[in-house]
Amino acid sequence: DVKVTQSSRYLVKRTGEKVFLECVQDMDHENMFWYRQDPGLGLRLIYFSYDVKMKEKGDIPEGYSVSREKKERFSLILESASTNQTSMYLCASSLRREVYFGPGTRLTVL
Amino acid sequence: DAKTTQPPSMDCAEGRAANLPCNHSTISGNEYVYWYRQIHSQGPQYIIHGLKNNETNEMASLIITEDRKSSTLILPHATLRDTAVYYCIVRGTLNDYKLSFGAGTTVTVRA
Repeated sequence: DVKVTQSSRYLVKRTGEKVFLECVQDMDHENMFWYRQDPGLGLRLIYFSYDVKMKEKGDIPEGYSVSREKKERFSLILESASTNQTSMYLCASSLRREVYFGPGTRLTVL
Repeated sequence: DAKTTQPPSMDCAEGRAANLPCNHSTISGNEYVYWYRQIHSQGPQYIIHGLKNNETNEMASLIITEDRKSSTLILPHATLRDTAVYYCIVRGTLNDYKLSFGAGTTVTVRA
């Protein structure tokens, strides 16, 4: 069974804080992704990585950065959290055509 | 822009088959049909995908029409745990990770 885990299910942060969201997959997948999901806007791709230290911007990279130092771990960083970054954040990894998602982190920025 | 159309909701009796339709009339030759589901407050779960042949796995079956303009996901024996939002999406190249989920079908399985 593919397993994608995220460091927190729920997180509350204050405006201006630096926020780290961690994601780990245990299936040796090369591709990993960060999405955010908002009502009425569906799933939007923030960043993805196709190899260690490699990253590509998705549709909405502004205000975010990522880090992939090891194959199994992909981190999303909110440099200075803002209220419009309150959302459900989903990490995913893929093998060929199948994309597997983690349980999600519901982030609230106050 | 979602390239698929699904009914907003459907009910199903526990133990019966659930047939979820999806229209994708503008699908192109290299695009696959994928199905995911999302149980409340959890991440989407991959179910199945196919190109033109019917597919079956331990979770479901996927029937794709010959003209590929529509498909049906079949949950053979629905359980209460199958209550979720089901998304049908089309996706082309392996590098296309901008998954456009649309509104999906809210499936409620009733005892």
